[in-house]
Amino acid sequence: DIQMTQSPSTLSASVGDRVTITCRASQSINNWLAWYQLKPGKAPKPLMYKASSLESGVPSRFSGSGSGTEFTLTISSLQPDDFATYYCQQFNSYFGQGTKVEIK
Amino acid sequence: EVQLVESGGGLVQPGGSLTLSCAASGFTFSIYWMSWVRQAPGKGLEWVANIKEDGSEKQYVDSVKGRFTISRDNAKNSLYLQMNSLRAEDTAVYYCAREQKWGQGTLVIVSS
Repeated sequence: DIQMTQSPSTLSASVGDRVTITCRASQSINNWLAWYQLKPGKAPKPLMYKASSLESGVPSRFSGSGSGTEFTLTISSLQPDDFATYYCQQFNSYFGQGTKVEIK
Repeated sequence: EVQLVESGGGLVQPGGSLTLSCAASGFTFSIYWMSWVRQAPGKGLEWVANIKEDGSEKQYVDSVKGRFTISRDNAKNSLYLQMNSLRAEDTAVYYCAREQKWGQGTLVIVSS
């Protein structure tokens, strides 16, 4: 099984900050990676697919990069609506353990 | 437009069984791996099972192996999850997924 590892587990940041979350796969998954945003009481929201493609309707401050085993999700300028937990997922398989982005 | 509509959730007693269904539309169902994922109340996201395009390969998270069975009917554009020997810890919203596209979810509550 390919395991997904995210870091950090918690990230404290301020509005306007540039934020980067890392996701590592235990072996190559090419670019078969998605990122999701999770907020309490709401359905998970897909942000990125195939590592670097922005899901329709997602603000352009979100971007993704990487291939093989190392991937990043970047929020270029953190907005109040972005405080949430973020998950990476190998397509149709395991998730990372999540990164909570909290207010500094 | 990709549409995935789950059904079959509900309240079931521990040890009981339930079958979830997912009706897919808006894409060629038979050429995609499909999966089930779940979110327990107040918890994170957990992948449950996946199935190859033709149903010849299936994978499961360890916690459901031997209890859950994923299947599909490409003629009916449908995905299924047969859940047996249900436990309280299986309580969750279950989502049908095609890569990053998910349905709206169906709630399964395992409680006496």
